[in-house]
Parts: sequence; C-alpha cells; structure tokens
Amino acid sequence: DARVTQTPRDKVTEMGQEVTMRCQPILGHNTVFWYRQTMMQGLELLAYFRNRAPLDDSGMPKDRFSAEMPDATLATLKIQPSEPRDSAVYFCASGLLWTSGDPSANTGELFFGEGSRLTVL
Amino acid sequence: DAKTTQPPSMDCAEGRAANLPCNHSTISGNEYVYWYRQIHSQGPQYIIHGLKNNETNEMASLIITEDRKSSTLILPHATLRDTAVYYCIVRSYTGTASKLTFGTGTRLQVTL
Repeated sequence: DARVTQTPRDKVTEMGQEVTMRCQPILGHNTVFWYRQTMMQGLELLAYFRNRAPLDDSGMPKDRFSAEMPDATLATLKIQPSEPRDSAVYFCASGLLWTSGDPSANTGELFFGEGSRLTVL
Repeated sequence: DAKTTQPPSMDCAEGRAANLPCNHSTISGNEYVYWYRQIHSQGPQYIIHGLKNNETNEMASLIITEDRKSSTLILPHATLRDTAVYYCIVRSYTGTASKLTFGTGTRLQVTL
C-alpha cells in the first residue's frame, strides 16, 4: 500500500535546538500539507504546497518555522530555534488534488502520515 | 471555507447505526462536504465526500439535505473500532488548490 512516511516518529529536544521533520509523500501526488495537532488547538494547517511550490504558509510562525520541498519525494518542516510551545504532533498529508477542469476528476482525498511527535523541554 | 458545527460527542451501541450530524449553513455552491475521522494518535483518515447527492461507499453513507445546509454521516453497523473523532469539513475547489481546515469534530464512542 502506498502511504505517506514521516520521520522521526518521536523527537525530544531542548529549547533552542533546531528540529527538522521530514515527509515522503505518495508518489504522483501533487499537493502536500503540514498540520500541527495539540490538545488545546486541535488540528491546525501550517502550510501547503502544490507541485512543490508553496501556496499558503499563513498558519506558520514565520520567524522560526520554515517549510520546503527540495524535490517531489521530500517535504521538510524546520523549527529553529524550537520552544516548549512547539510541542505537538506534526502531520504531513499528500493528495492528488483537482488541477483544472472537472473537479470530480478525483476525490480530493488527503492521505495522512502517522505523525511526528515533538517534545521541546 | 465555510464553517461547520458538530456536536462535541456522541455514543452509539455496537452494531447499531451511528448518525453523525453536521451543520454548514453558510456553504456555497462550489463547496464539497468531506468527512474524515481520527482514531486515537493516528493521522486523520478520509471517509467520504459529496456535493449535493447522497453518497455511499464501503465505509459509510453521506446524506446531504436538499438546501445543502446540513449533512449526516451514517455508519450503518458501528463497531468498537469506529470509536474516533469525526470531522465534517466543507471545502471548495476554487483556485489552484484548496485547504482542508479541520474543526473540533465529534468524538464518537462505540460501546458494547
């Protein structure tokens, strides 16, 4: 089964350290999303890419977070410097979204990875 | 994307149908209704989506009212493994891509 792969699954780090989370989307998918989930805020959209180009990163704290897609098989989310309030589960999702013409051409389903649990001490 | 309103929690006996309601009174004509669920600590999982017609797949049925202001997700024979948070989302296909914005969802507890 094709699936979205995220690494690391768990990360514990100290405040001020750089953290990089990686995501391998499903081959052939044209859109990648990064979400963050906490008990207080639920699932928040941080950023998303289409055909590797960033479309919207308005949900992401710009001063410390950055998201990139260096190639079609890798998306990264970097936090530098990390803070305790960044502790959360970070999910990556990919999908083959409608590109033009008939929106019923695909389901628009997003496939989520298992998440990266980040704890910043 | 239009805002949705769901009850925070529901209970259902195993083997019975679970009917999860969702209000989306401000939905616009080009917005689809999506349902996802999240089983504890896993990533969200797609269930079903629809525009205006009722839809059914191997997981569930989606009933959308004629005015499209509300919908109901039906799990016909709930099992303990269906215990999860269920998210109703409305999403447009405008532009070059569209966001999937999650609300707080409904926590469904299936009991023996």
